[in-house]
This record gives sequence, C-alpha cells and structure tokens, in this order.
Amino acid sequence: NAGVTQTPKFQVLKTGQSMTLQCAQDMNHEYMSWYRQDPGMGLRLIHYSVGAGITDQGEVPNGYNVSRSTTEDFPLRLLSAAPSQTSVYFCASSPLQGANEKLFFGSGTQLSVL
Amino acid sequence: DAKTTQPPSMDCAEGRAANLPCNHSTISGNEYVYWYRQIHSQGPQYIIHGLKNNETNEMASLIITEDRKSSTLILPHATLRDTAVYYCIVPDRGSTLGRLYFGRGTQLTVWP
Repeated sequence: NAGVTQTPKFQVLKTGQSMTLQCAQDMNHEYMSWYRQDPGMGLRLIHYSVGAGITDQGEVPNGYNVSRSTTEDFPLRLLSAAPSQTSVYFCASSPLQGANEKLFFGSGTQLSVL
Repeated sequence: DAKTTQPPSMDCAEGRAANLPCNHSTISGNEYVYWYRQIHSQGPQYIIHGLKNNETNEMASLIITEDRKSSTLILPHATLRDTAVYYCIVPDRGSTLGRLYFGRGTQLTVWP
C-alpha cells in the first residue's frame, strides 16, 4: 500500500517557468489537499478538494492552480514560478467520514525557484 | 474557527513522560482536537484526536479538560525518535469539512 505519493522529491526552477507537482493516493480518499511549509513555519493550506471535480482555495492560493479529474490524483500547478514559491510542498489525503479527519501526508517536494 | 496556542519548545529526558500542552479556549462544542507531529523533513504524521473524553492509542494519550478549553498530549516514555514538532489543531468547521490549519507547533527535544 503506497499511501500518498508525491513526485518529484526535489525540483529547481528558474523564475517564470511553469511546472506541475504530482500527488497520487491509492486509498480511495475523497479529500485531498496541498500545503506549503517555509523554514521555521507551520504548514499553510494552498488548495483542497473534497472529491473529483470539486476544488477550493486555502490560505495561500495565489500563484497556484489545481484540478481534480480523478479521485486518485490532485496535481498542483505553478503557472509562473517566483522565488517566493521556494518551499517544501506536502500533499495530504483523508476519507470524508464525518468528523474523522485523519490526514495522510506524502513525503514532500522541495522546490527552489532561482 | 478555533485557534490553538502551544509553547514554541519543550524538552524531555529519554524514558520520561513528555506532556505537551495546548490551549483552545474558543473551541466549539462539536469540534475535535487533533494532534500531529512532524519529524525533521518528513510529512506530518497523525497521532491522536478527541472530542471530550480522554483518548489513548499505541502512540500517545490525550487529556482534554472538562471545559474543553485546553488539552495535553502525553508521550508516556519518550524516546530520541520522538524528537519532532508537535501540532495541536482544531479543524475549521466554519466553511467546509477537512480544513486543518497548522500553526508553528511545539518543538519537542528528547535528550539522552
């Protein structure tokens, strides 16, 4: 059971480049989300999805796009990378079962924008 | 949404109990308290959650005060591998299900 898989683990971009961070889960979870974590900071919610075809913004959505065409996948797109987007990105999933919001996290993607 | 307050850092001797406090004075009656931890560079890991009763699992115990305004996560016999940042979270139920906001947490250092 792979759980939540994020790719790539590391990425270096130049300012203005675009890229997609991949996230896949094999637990048939309805809820998926993306967080970013900057040095010395907690996690901040970027976007989340409560099911295929449904997405919504979190705390810090600017500069990022998401889509949810399948239950398994929730890619995060950086349209035009900026140095301020240098961070570690975590994807998470959870079954929607009432108040049970136990999140399963991936191992993260470390992104540097030069 | 309820906010939580945690001390920025704590330390504990190996083999002793680690007691991590959390204040959540604005918590609503139907809001759960969740605890996660993050070991350096890894994704956060779920530990435990509770509503009003004390809870225990293989990782930790959660003690919630009767007025639910604070809670304590207890690691009964801390090991060096328990060194991590511990997050106390009350989900935001004002908008939609499943939005967990992580603050800065408590850095727990377990020393030999």
